[in-house]
Amino acid sequence: AIQMTQSPSSLSASVGDRVTITCRASQGIRNDLGWYQQKPGKAPKLLIYAASSLQSGVPSRFSGSGSGTDFTLTISSLQPEDFATYYCLQDYNYPLFGQGTKVEIK
Amino acid sequence: EVQLVESGGGLVQPGGSLRLSCAASGFTFSSYWMHWVRQAPGKGLVWVSRINSDGSSTSYADSVKGRFTISRDNAKNTLYLQMNSLRAEDTAVYYCARALLVPAARGGYDYWGQGTLVTVSS
Repeated sequence: AIQMTQSPSSLSASVGDRVTITCRASQGIRNDLGWYQQKPGKAPKLLIYAASSLQSGVPSRFSGSGSGTDFTLTISSLQPEDFATYYCLQDYNYPLFGQGTKVEIK
Repeated sequence: EVQLVESGGGLVQPGGSLRLSCAASGFTFSSYWMHWVRQAPGKGLVWVSRINSDGSSTSYADSVKGRFTISRDNAKNTLYLQMNSLRAEDTAVYYCARALLVPAARGGYDYWGQGTLVTVSS
C-alpha cells in the first residue's frame, strides 16, 4: 500500500510569511494529489487538485507543485484566515490522506 | 446551490449497526463519484469508502472492509453507508464528499457535507 508522509506536523508563522508544506509518497502517484484546508469544527475545503490546479474561488496565494513522489503546497503570503490544518490526499489507487500540518500563529 | 446533508449518526453500542445517509441537491447526483471520509475526535482525516456514479464499483479502506457497505440511490439523490459490527475505534465525524467530475482531477473532492457524529460506546 502507498504511504504518505506529510511534513512538518506543525509550524508557527507570521502574517505575510511564505509557508511550504510537503507530502512524499512511498511510490509514484503521477499527479493524483490534492490539498485541503480544515478549520476547527468545519468540513475540509479543497484548495488544489491534480497536484497543481487551483480550485475555483481559492486565492492565488495558494499553489501546488510536484509529480511522482514529492509534492508541495505553498502559501506565498500567509493571511490571518489561513491559520488552519492542511492535509494532502493521494488519489492514485486507494485514497489516503497525509497526517496533517497545523499552521499556527507565531 | 450544491448541498450535501448527512444524517443517521448517533450513539451505538459496540457490535451494533448504523446507516448513514447523505442527501444531495443542486447538481446531477448520478454523474458523480462519491466518498465517505471520517475524522476521529482530535485526529486527522481518514478516507473510508467510495462509489462510482452508477453504483457498480465500490472501494473500502482496510479498516472497514467487510463491515461497512457503501451504496447509492440515484433516483433519490442519496448516498448511504451501512456500518455493521461497529467498534470503539469507528467513533468519528463522518463526512460525505463529491469528487470532481473531470477525469484528470484526481485528489479533488470539491463539496463536503457538514458531517454526522457516530459514537460507539457502551
